[in-house]
Amino acid sequence: DIQMTQSPSTLSASVGDRVTITCRASQSISVWLAWYQQKPGEAPKLLIYKASSLYSGVSSRFGGSGSGTEFALTISSLQPDDFATYYCQQYNSYSRTFGQGTKVEIK
Amino acid sequence: EVQLVESGGGLVKPGGSLRLSCAASGFTFSYAYMSWVRQAPGKGLEWVGRIKTKTDGGTTDYAAPVTGRFTISRDDSNKSLYLQMNSLKIEDTAVYYCVTGDCSSTFCPDGIWGPGTMVTVSS
Repeated sequence: DIQMTQSPSTLSASVGDRVTITCRASQSISVWLAWYQQKPGEAPKLLIYKASSLYSGVSSRFGGSGSGTEFALTISSLQPDDFATYYCQQYNSYSRTFGQGTKVEIK
Repeated sequence: EVQLVESGGGLVKPGGSLRLSCAASGFTFSYAYMSWVRQAPGKGLEWVGRIKTKTDGGTTDYAAPVTGRFTISRDDSNKSLYLQMNSLKIEDTAVYYCVTGDCSSTFCPDGIWGPGTMVTVSS
């Protein structure tokens, strides 16, 4: 199985900060990577697919980059609604795997 | 409105069985690959398994921890997805989400999620 490793596990930031979360795959997944946002008690929401494509209705302050084994999610200017946990997921193979998550906290 | 709604969760003893259901609406269910994802309390997301469309053989794939114990099936006429869980273990305790990308491809991201249903395995 393909393993996904996110960093950091927790990130403390302030409103207006630019933040970056990274995700590394144990083998090449081309561009088949998605990013999700999850808030407590809610189902995850798709933000980015195919490494850098913005999902419908998602704010343009979210951006994705990378290919192969190294990927990143960037929030250009952190807003109060963005404090949440973020997960990467590979969907290159029949078995999809998630990163362990990055919690973005208020500094 | 595109919607997925899970049901069937509850409390079950170790070794027991439970069947989850997911009712779909607002998209062409028979054309969509469907998946289950779970999340243990306070933990991250874990992919459980997927079923392809009947057109693509209706085949299933499962994560290693549930292979041989869980079975995914679908009823296209009723726009429903099922997860039959047997030989349940304490570590199967989680919120179970029904998920789809509303397309029939391995390279289809999961953009549609249900609210989830809680399964608790405890004696």
